Amino acid sequence: ETGVTQSPTHLIKTRGQQVTLRCSSQSGHNTVSWYQQALGQGPQFIFQYYREEENGRGNFPPRFSGLQFPNYSSELNVNALELDDSALYLCASSLSATGGPSNQPQHFGDGTRLSIL
Amino acid sequence: AQSVTQLDSQVPVFEEAPVELRCNYSSSVSVYLFWYVQYPNQGLQLLLKYLSGSTLVKGINGFEAEFNKSQTSFHLRKPSVHISDTAEYFCAVSIFGNEKLTFGTGTRLTIIP
Repeated sequence: ETGVTQSPTHLIKTRGQQVTLRCSSQSGHNTVSWYQQALGQGPQFIFQYYREEENGRGNFPPRFSGLQFPNYSSELNVNALELDDSALYLCASSLSATGGPSNQPQHFGDGTRLSIL
Repeated sequence: AQSVTQLDSQVPVFEEAPVELRCNYSSSVSVYLFWYVQYPNQGLQLLLKYLSGSTLVKGINGFEAEFNKSQTSFHLRKPSVHISDTAEYFCAVSIFGNEKLTFGTGTRLTIIP
């Protein structure tokens, strides 16, 4: 069983640029969530995708957007990068029957560390 | 909205001593509660969770936690720690089952040989 994989592991960008982060969900999982973890902080929920549709969003501006593909892999896109976007971005996948509250465990990847200069 | 407070940012403990990491939450509705561990340069690993039923929950690596609704707490305990327990520990809540988690700021557990 392949776990959650994220790419790249590290990335350096400058202010104003755009970035795309990728996540391959665990085999059999249909739901992907993205979290931002700033240095010294707990992860913050960005959004969730269930069967290719956004299924809930945290308190993040529209320049944070996402996609989920038919194979349930996902992308996180961030436009107009700001210094405060420097963080570890975590992807988590799970299996949901309906997109509603789930008793199935969520599995996290090791994250992409994004540095903004 | 939900919130989580982990009052202790760092906890040093001697090897083989007991440890308790504190977590308090706030929510106007019923929540599910979790403890995750994060080792350096890695993602999060679920230690244990409380969804319903018995308020004493046992997890992996010898950890356990007790849900106290009246005190809105979910403290994590281990009777005897090991060097390998050195990591960052996060308490989290959700009203969405296992997902859309709200995390605390974390507690760094350092084991002293």
